[in-house]
Amino acid sequence: EAGVTQSPTHLIKTRGQQATLRCSPISGHTSVYWYQQALGLGLQFLLWYDEGEERNRGNFPPRFSGRQFPNYSSELNVNALELEDSALYLCASSLFAGQTNQPQHFGDGTRLSIL
Amino acid sequence: AQTVTQSQPEMSVQEAETVTLSCTYDTSESDYYLFWYKQPPSRQMILVIRQEAYKQQNATENRFSVNFQKAAKSFSLKISDSQLGDAAMYFCAYNAGGTSYGKLTFGQGTILTVHP
Repeated sequence: EAGVTQSPTHLIKTRGQQATLRCSPISGHTSVYWYQQALGLGLQFLLWYDEGEERNRGNFPPRFSGRQFPNYSSELNVNALELEDSALYLCASSLFAGQTNQPQHFGDGTRLSIL
Repeated sequence: AQTVTQSQPEMSVQEAETVTLSCTYDTSESDYYLFWYKQPPSRQMILVIRQEAYKQQNATENRFSVNFQKAAKSFSLKISDSQLGDAAMYFCAYNAGGTSYGKLTFGQGTILTVHP
């Protein structure tokens, strides 16, 4: 069974640009989650999508947005990039989290570097 | 707001010995789930073990077991017969309903070093 896949592995951008990160969940999983792992800040919850809808959002500005496609894959978009957005972005998937006991399975992450 | 605290930034253990990683959490929820994840240098987060708060029995997965103390809001991870491959950053995580629905709240992590 293929795990959660993320692309690209590494992305280099400059301040003010836009970044798009992609995630394909494990087959059969409908929920996709995005987390930011920044140096010194730990892992922070960004977004949760299920069945194409945003279900929950972390404490991040609106320039962090995303979407989920009919095949349950997802994109995370970050507009007007700032230096502080440099981080590892992790995507996770699970069976529908209507019950909170569904464990989340993570991908390898996309390293976003802002110059 | 729910918080998760790992008070040990770094721990070390000799191969084949036992080590315990600490985690405490703060919540007003009665039903929730707790997890330990492992993140090796390859950076993929791997689920190690999970515990349902309504279950009094401590979860075990092979060499990994937890000591869940609900009243004390404590959730420690014990690794027995440590192996070199156990070296990683370990994160304690919490998941409940309400406004944190679908969201994992992580501790700061503990770096585990295994000495041969």
